Amino acid sequence: SQQGEEDPQALSIQEGENATMNCSYKTSINNLQWYRQNSGRGLVHLILIRSNEREKHSGRLRVTLDTSKKSSSLLITASRAADTASYFCATGTGANSKLTFGKGITLSVRP
Amino acid sequence: GAVVSQHPSRVICKSGTSVKIECRSLDFQATTMFWYRQFPKKSLMLMATSNEGSKATYEQGVEKDKFLINHASLTLSTLTVTSAHPEDSSFYICGIRGRGNYGYTFGSGTRLTVV
Repeated sequence: SQQGEEDPQALSIQEGENATMNCSYKTSINNLQWYRQNSGRGLVHLILIRSNEREKHSGRLRVTLDTSKKSSSLLITASRAADTASYFCATGTGANSKLTFGKGITLSVRP
Repeated sequence: GAVVSQHPSRVICKSGTSVKIECRSLDFQATTMFWYRQFPKKSLMLMATSNEGSKATYEQGVEKDKFLINHASLTLSTLTVTSAHPEDSSFYICGIRGRGNYGYTFGSGTRLTVV
């Protein structure tokens, strides 16, 4: 069953703008992760945030986690055309747990 | 991070035949590998957890006899789609979890088309 629900489902922005994607989940989690998938390809791990963390940065990526609202956001700053891809959030409930993915957000960055 | 190689990247087969997909961990001994299935423009659905040296754990609704998983070594897991039908056409992705890191590394996926 799916755990994460991302919104919006599709996002189109101009190069240089910031892109914000949201993810909500239903059950308690140990960690939340964001992945990127280019069309027809495998997934690339972007960033992981643990349940006791509120914010994390990696390059142009900023992830927040609000466990009280069971939600997370992924911000991509100064977007580039190469950021065009699908983005998925995924939740894990423990060290050896499986990952449960959301439906994904399709991001299009116009040059 | 770990490096995962998945093969083949694309396969077309006839209905009724079987197809084997390989997932190799190139630089990491993976006791556990995960097999996901993805329909067009949809999310990834976990099919099964592959455990080295033991039987795979299948998710509810996934047919064990249809999707055979073998994890005979710490670096190789295989998924065999038996007696394939057009509805089995999909994108299959394997993933492993690195040691001390909850993030997964995924293979590049296999596009299966059954005609």
